[in-house]
Amino acid sequence: DIQMTQSPSTLSASVGDRVTITCRASQSIYTWLAWYQQKPGKAPKLLIYKASSLEGGVPSRFSASGSGTEFTLTISSLQPDDFATYYCQQYDGYPLTFGGGTKVEIK
Amino acid sequence: QVQLVQSGAEVKKPGASVKVSCKASGYSFSSFYIHWVRHVPGQGLEWLGIIHPTGGSTTYAQKFQDRVTMTRDTSTSTVYMQLRSLTSEDTGVYYCARIRPDYSNSFDPWGQGTLVTVSS
Repeated sequence: DIQMTQSPSTLSASVGDRVTITCRASQSIYTWLAWYQQKPGKAPKLLIYKASSLEGGVPSRFSASGSGTEFTLTISSLQPDDFATYYCQQYDGYPLTFGGGTKVEIK
Repeated sequence: QVQLVQSGAEVKKPGASVKVSCKASGYSFSSFYIHWVRHVPGQGLEWLGIIHPTGGSTTYAQKFQDRVTMTRDTSTSTVYMQLRSLTSEDTGVYYCARIRPDYSNSFDPWGQGTLVTVSS
């Protein structure tokens, strides 16, 4: 199975901060990576697919990059609505696997 | 709009089975695979498997291979996920999710989730 490791597990930040989350795969997954945002009691929401493509309707302050085994999600200017948990997911092969999550908290 | 609506919360005893439904609307049901993912407290998101609504073909995560069955009813645009031999470690929220229109295995949209509680 492909292991996905996210860091940090928790991140404390203020409104307006630039925030970066890292996701590492245990083997190359090319660009078959998605990022999701999840808020308490809600289903995850797709933000990014194919490593760097912004899903429709997602604010442009979200961006992502990477290929192979190293990936990043960046929020350029953190907004109050962005405090949530973020997950990466690989879809290069079965079983599909997720990172452990990064909780973005208010500083 | 594209929507997946799941069945309501379930409480089950250890050893029992649960069957969760996921009704699709707003798109051609037969055209897109549907996945099942669960969120177990303290364990993040975990993929259970995938079903193709047309032929009913499935692929399951090896961890659940012996305990999970995914089926579909094309007449009602509904997919089902049954998990057997439940233990307390199966307590969590179970989601169905459709693949994106590019037919890659990223998920959008998701159902609202079904809480499954396993307790004696």
